[in-house]
Amino acid sequence: QPVLTQSPSASASLGASVKLTCTLSSGHSDYTVAWHQKQPEKGPRHLMKINSDGSHTKGDGVPDRFSGSRSGAERYLTISSLQSEDEADYYCQTWGAGVGVFGGGTKLTVL
Amino acid sequence: EVQLVESGGGLVQPGGSLRLSCAASGFMLSDHEMNWVRQAPGKGLEWVAYISSGASTTYYADSVKGRFTISRDNAKNSLYLQMNSLRVEDTAVYHCARIRWFDPWGQGTLVTVSS
Repeated sequence: QPVLTQSPSASASLGASVKLTCTLSSGHSDYTVAWHQKQPEKGPRHLMKINSDGSHTKGDGVPDRFSGSRSGAERYLTISSLQSEDEADYYCQTWGAGVGVFGGGTKLTVL
Repeated sequence: EVQLVESGGGLVQPGGSLRLSCAASGFMLSDHEMNWVRQAPGKGLEWVAYISSGASTTYYADSVKGRFTISRDNAKNSLYLQMNSLRVEDTAVYHCARIRWFDPWGQGTLVTVSS
């Protein structure tokens, strides 16, 4: 089964950009990966799906400030023009053979 | 508006049972695969169970296999999770989510397993 690895934390200043990374385990570098945002006291929100060719499809209403990309086994979520409401936990997610898989999540702090 | 609303959570003793429901609106549940995902206090997201659009295929996380059962009633546009033999470690907020890429999610319902 694939394993997804994320840094536990990240920080960036208000108005700046930040790039979060999700790394797929060996042998799974072509897997499709989705990104989700989890704000405190709210249900999670699907942000986007990054396909194996690096293209991404965003969820309804997700601002243009959010974008996705790929390099090898890494999948990136870039947030530009950071706002205070972007402070949240971000999870990447994929599928193995009949198993849903989440990364450990990255807690983003907006300074 | 596409929406998922969970219900049925509450406090239950270890070894007890609980049935969660997820009501879908704004779309035909019958057209989509569905999932349950949970988040224990202070922990990350954990996928729990999957069901295909026609209910012919189900998958479960090892942590709940043999204890939880996912089902659906497409006529009622509803998804269910029957949870038996509950353990303290099953305490979590449970979310339903549409399709393999969890789009969208429900707000969740809290399940507390404690004596």
